[in-house]
Amino acid sequence: AQSVTQLDSHVSVSEGTPVLLRCNYSSSYSPSLFWYVQHPNKGLQLLLKYTSAATLVKGINGFEAEFKKSETSFHLTKPSAHMSDAAEYFCVVSAMRFGAGTRLTVKP
Amino acid sequence: DTGVSQDPRHKITKRGQNVTFRCDPISEHNRLYWYRQTLGQGPEFLTYFQNEAQLEKSRLLSDRFSAERPKGSFSTLEIQRTEQGDSAMYLCASSLIGVHWQDEQFFGPGTRLTVL
Repeated sequence: AQSVTQLDSHVSVSEGTPVLLRCNYSSSYSPSLFWYVQHPNKGLQLLLKYTSAATLVKGINGFEAEFKKSETSFHLTKPSAHMSDAAEYFCVVSAMRFGAGTRLTVKP
Repeated sequence: DTGVSQDPRHKITKRGQNVTFRCDPISEHNRLYWYRQTLGQGPEFLTYFQNEAQLEKSRLLSDRFSAERPKGSFSTLEIQRTEQGDSAMYLCASSLIGVHWQDEQFFGPGTRLTVL
């Protein structure tokens, strides 16, 4: 069975400070992992994906994530938050199992 | 626009009525997925097709839910005898399965269902 846990339902940061959104997964085999973003009243958009080619994955808009097998984690980071990053973020395991989401708020 | 499209975008119905939603995937994509998303939750996987074959349907919420993809192109999701608890956003996504068998999905805008 595969599952994903997003450890924070809500993260609030100030503009220009780093972002960390945490995701742990459970899988009986090496999974594919994804991060999607959902802006208000917009469709889900892929940020990045891990498919075993490299453990550090770079995505769009300056986001990146590191796959750590020993910790079963796939945390999403960004060095400097922008106001436009405010949205809901979903970690996904094996394409179809979504986490509950983390709402990112960016304060000016 | 060559993205995933869904129709209708909004549907209001009375309890007990049947509803049908349509999804048109990106034309060359061979996989099509249906999800349900309720407020404050992540999308919940319902079913998916590879071409016209429905490969997973055990997660359909009840026998009132059914999906088809008769020619391997567009798909329909039907809910019979709707209940108020069916009120949600229904999302469709498509993907092209190639070298990496679990490839990224492209999502449509969703159909928002309200059951009165």
